[in-house]
Amino acid sequence: AQTVTQSQPEMSVQEAETVTLSCTYDTSESDYYLFWYKQPPSRQMILVIRQEAYKQQNATENRFSVNFQKAAKSFSLKISDSQLGDAAMYFCAYRSSSGTYKYIFGTGTRLKVLA
Amino acid sequence: ETGVTQSPTHLIKTRGQQVTLRCSSQSGHNTVSWYQQALGQGPQFIFQYYREEENGRGNFPPRFSGLQFPNYSSELNVNALELDDSALYLCASSLRTGNYGYTFGSGTRLTVV
Repeated sequence: AQTVTQSQPEMSVQEAETVTLSCTYDTSESDYYLFWYKQPPSRQMILVIRQEAYKQQNATENRFSVNFQKAAKSFSLKISDSQLGDAAMYFCAYRSSSGTYKYIFGTGTRLKVLA
Repeated sequence: ETGVTQSPTHLIKTRGQQVTLRCSSQSGHNTVSWYQQALGQGPQFIFQYYREEENGRGNFPPRFSGLQFPNYSSELNVNALELDDSALYLCASSLRTGNYGYTFGSGTRLTVV
């Protein structure tokens, strides 16, 4: 069975600085999807970025980018120029390309942004 | 384009009771998934519905059941509530495979006393 691990329960970053959130996963599959979701106090999960495993190029969305290391089964999220609005819980998620289209989430990392 | 709407936002029930949670999908999405998020944890997959049929189920007992309607809205029903059912219940809609990600609602906070 697939698992997702986020080893950093909490991280802090100074406003305008860069922070990297870690995520590792375990799977025997070669084709899958990876996601980062943000959950602010409003509770609504918001998609930050997605990565398709068969694409070697790292995904980028404005200030958010990933470092996808398929062999190491690592999928870290880098937030550049951190803003106060980035403060939230961040969840890493895995989705198989076959079978049930369920997402497997990690336990989350709480990001604090310091003014 | 409307997002995903869940009702109610908060609910308090007594152990042994039954509860129904509701979800309206984002326009154009035909698949609904339900997740349970316990305090301090990541969401756990309950089940998914596609075109009114259950399309996959997580490790939850049969007292968790659901429905999807022709307009793609959905209900989550939980019978014989237990204290451990206290959690945030998230509904997410997507196109069939969810390859491009889910759109989540803001959840229903269920407290069982």
